[in-house]
Amino acid sequence: ELKVEQNPLFLSMQEGKNYTIYCNYSTTSDRLYWYRQDPGKSLESLFVLLSNGAVKQEGRLMASLDTKARLSTLHITAAVHDLSATYFCAVGKLIFGQGTELSVKP
Amino acid sequence: DAGVTQSPTHLIKTRGQQVTLRCSPISGHKSVSWYQQVLGQGPQFIFQYYEKEERGRGNFPDRFSARQFPNYSSELNVNALLLGDSALYLCASSRGLAGALNTGELFFGEGSRLTVL
Repeated sequence: ELKVEQNPLFLSMQEGKNYTIYCNYSTTSDRLYWYRQDPGKSLESLFVLLSNGAVKQEGRLMASLDTKARLSTLHITAAVHDLSATYFCAVGKLIFGQGTELSVKP
Repeated sequence: DAGVTQSPTHLIKTRGQQVTLRCSPISGHKSVSWYQQVLGQGPQFIFQYYEKEERGRGNFPDRFSARQFPNYSSELNVNALLLGDSALYLCASSRGLAGALNTGELFFGEGSRLTVL
C-alpha cells in the first residue's frame, strides 16, 4: 500500500527566512504533485514533477524529485505572508500526504 | 474556460439519510476522481472513474458509491449517513487516468461541504 508522509506537519516561519518541506513515499513512482490549499478553499496545483531529478521553480517556491530516494522537497525562499497555506504532496494515483500547514509571520 | 464545478456547495443532513453530490469536469477531461477531506487532514481517495468505468476505489465502505455519465459528469452517493461522514468532498478531473504521464494532473473543484447532524 502506498504511503505518503510529509514533514513537518506544522511550520511557523518568519518572513524572509528559508525552509524546506519534505515528502517521502513508500513505493516506486516517477511522478509527484504539489498542491496548495488556503483555509476553506479547494486545492490549487503548484508543481508536476515527472522524472527523477526534475526541478521546477515558481516565484519563491522550488520543488524537486529524487525517485531513487523516494523523496520530494518543496523549498521556500525568503518567505512572505502570502505563502501561508497548507501544502500537500501527492504520488501515484494521487494518494496525498497529511499536509504541511505553513504560517509565515512578520 | 470553466473549471471543475461541484454542487451543492454546502448541505446539512441527519444521520441515516442519503446524499448525492454532483461534479462536472473540465471540458475534454475524461476522468473524475472523488476525495474526502476531513478537517485538518489530507484528501482521502474514494473513487476514480475513467470513460464511465470505475478504475479505482479507496478504503471506504459500500455505503459510498459513484457513477460517471456519458458526458463525463459524475455523482457520488453516500447512504446511511454517519456523523463521521461530515467532511469536504472534493471532485477532481484529469484528461487521463489520475497520475498518468502527461495527462494525469488533477484539477479540483471547490468542493461540497457536508455536515451530518
